[in-house]
Amino acid sequence: AQSVSQHNHHVILSEAASLELGCNYSYGGTVNLFWYVQYPGQHLQLLLKYFSGDPLVKGIKGFEAEFIKSKFSFNLRKPSVQWSDTAEYFCAVNAPAYNTDKLIFGTGTRLQVFP
Amino acid sequence: SAVISQKPSRDICQRGTSLTIQCQVDSQVTMMFWYRQQPGQSLTLIATANQGSEATYESGFVIDKFPISRPNLTFSTLTVSNMSPEDSSIYLCSVASYNEQFFGPGTRLTVL
Repeated sequence: AQSVSQHNHHVILSEAASLELGCNYSYGGTVNLFWYVQYPGQHLQLLLKYFSGDPLVKGIKGFEAEFIKSKFSFNLRKPSVQWSDTAEYFCAVNAPAYNTDKLIFGTGTRLQVFP
Repeated sequence: SAVISQKPSRDICQRGTSLTIQCQVDSQVTMMFWYRQQPGQSLTLIATANQGSEATYESGFVIDKFPISRPNLTFSTLTVSNMSPEDSSIYLCSVASYNEQFFGPGTRLTVL
């Protein structure tokens, strides 16, 4: 069965610090990969996604993620965080080979950014 | 993108009662999903709501507890039956469109 692991449960940073959130998945076939963000009191929004092509994908608000197939990883990065990046971040995977769009989510990482 | 609305946005219910949550999408979509997000935890898929046939439930979720309707391509309901405090959670509807999933605002359920 597919699974997604996010090893950082809670990250605390100061503004302007660099961010990297880990995401690993377990599935040997072709996958689509996503990062979602949930700001306090708001619903889930898509940050970025990877389907194929360039393994370095850029999303909204200066976020990017790199797909490393050999490591089954899709880590999220941002060179310089802002206070407004305080949110919960979820990595998610689906496997188009199963002809389904259902997403498997990681446990999430809570990011707190202090001014 | 797809715009999704859910009703109610929140509710407080008594143990043993049932609550039906509605999900409305502004366009026709094939795939609709229901997720649960328990306090401090990630999203867990409950079921895929199929139009014209029974929903497909994930392991640990059963139709008697979470009956789902999908009468057309823009609407679905999820009922949380015979509720207990353990059902307190946020319930989210999502739709798949062009290889992307969009999420509704969620229904925050508290069971006393």
